[in-house]
Formats: sequence, C-alpha cells, structure tokens
Amino acid sequence: AQSVTQLDSQVPVFEEAPVELRCNYSSSVSVYLFWYVQYPNQGLQLLLKYLSGSTLVKGINGFEAEFNKSQTSFHLRKPSVHISDTAEYFCAVSDQPHFGNEKLTFGTGTRLTIIP
Amino acid sequence: NAGVTQTPKFRVLKTGQSMTLLCAQDMNHEYMYWYRQDPGMGLRLIHYSVGEGTTAKGEVPDGYNVSRLKKQNFLLGLESAAPSQTSVYFCASRKTVANEKLFFGSGTQLSVL
Repeated sequence: AQSVTQLDSQVPVFEEAPVELRCNYSSSVSVYLFWYVQYPNQGLQLLLKYLSGSTLVKGINGFEAEFNKSQTSFHLRKPSVHISDTAEYFCAVSDQPHFGNEKLTFGTGTRLTIIP
Repeated sequence: NAGVTQTPKFRVLKTGQSMTLLCAQDMNHEYMYWYRQDPGMGLRLIHYSVGEGTTAKGEVPDGYNVSRLKKQNFLLGLESAAPSQTSVYFCASRKTVANEKLFFGSGTQLSVL
C-alpha cells in the first residue's frame, strides 16, 4: 500500500522569503510523484511531476521539487514567494501512471500563507 | 475553454434526500474521476470511469452511485444522503493513459443536515 505524509498542515512565510513544503511517501513499488496546487475556491492544478530521470523537477510558477529515494521524500521549494502563491498544496503518489485506474493517493495538504 | 464544469456549486440536503452531481468536460477525455475532500484527509477517490459506459469503485464508494452514459458527462448520485457525506466533491478528467495530468473542476460544496 502507498501513502503520503505532508508534515506541515500550515506554513506561514513572509513575501519574497524562500519556502519548503515537505512530503514523504511510502510505497512497495516504483513511485511516481506529483504536486498539485489549489487556489481559493478552485479545483486542483498540476504544479509538477516526477516520473523518471532527473531527480530535480521544475514546475510552473517557479516551483521545483527534488525526488530523494533514500529519504523517500519529494519536498517542494520556491526561492522567493509572492502573495499569489497563497494556496493549499497537495503531494500525491501513484504506482501506475500508465493505466486509467491507478490509485493516486493524495496527502492531507499544506496551506501556504504569504505574509506581506 | 470550459474544461471541467461541475454543477451545482453548493447544495444543502436533509438526511435521506437524494441528489445528483453533474460533471461535464469538453476536452474529449477518456478518464473521469470523482473525489471527495475532507479537512485533514486530503482527496479520496469515490468512483472513476475509464470510458463511456464503464465505471469502477474507488477508495470510498459506499453510499454513492455513478453513471457515464455519455463520454463528456460523469454523474455522481447520492440515493439517501447522510451527514457523513458532507464534503467538497471534485470531479477530474484525463485524456489518455499516457497523459498523467488531471484536470479538476472547481468543486461542489455539499452539506447534509
């Protein structure tokens, strides 16, 4: 069985400061990892994904994440945040990205609040 | 481009009432999903469909039924609503097995009193 743990439910950060949102996973097979963002009153949008290859993945809006197999982590980072980054961020893991019925397991989310 | 559209956006039901949530996508996607989002629990898959006329159970299917009579529509039904079904419901779709990105609707906030 696979699972995702997002250690921080809320993260307040000052504008223009760096941020790291933590995500740890467990899976008995190869994993495929995703970060989704949910802006207020909207559905989720894909930020970035790791399927294979380079462990450093760059996404939209200046975010990046690093896949660390030994630490079973996929932390999300941004060097300088903006007010518009205020949102809830979800880490997700899947063990079968090439089938329609694969199980995509979401974490409980981290609410990022940017302080002016 | 509408993308994934969910109706209604808000609904309040009394225990025992029934209702249907509609999800429509205009992207010709094969795969469609219904999730529920609860505080502290992330998103959980209720039911999904890999094509017109097919449906399958997800992680938390009890109390829900679905239908995919047309490729563009995926309906989620609650036959007899219970307070435990108070949640925010999200529909999502994806084009093919090789396209991993899920497109989400903006959600339906359902309260069951």
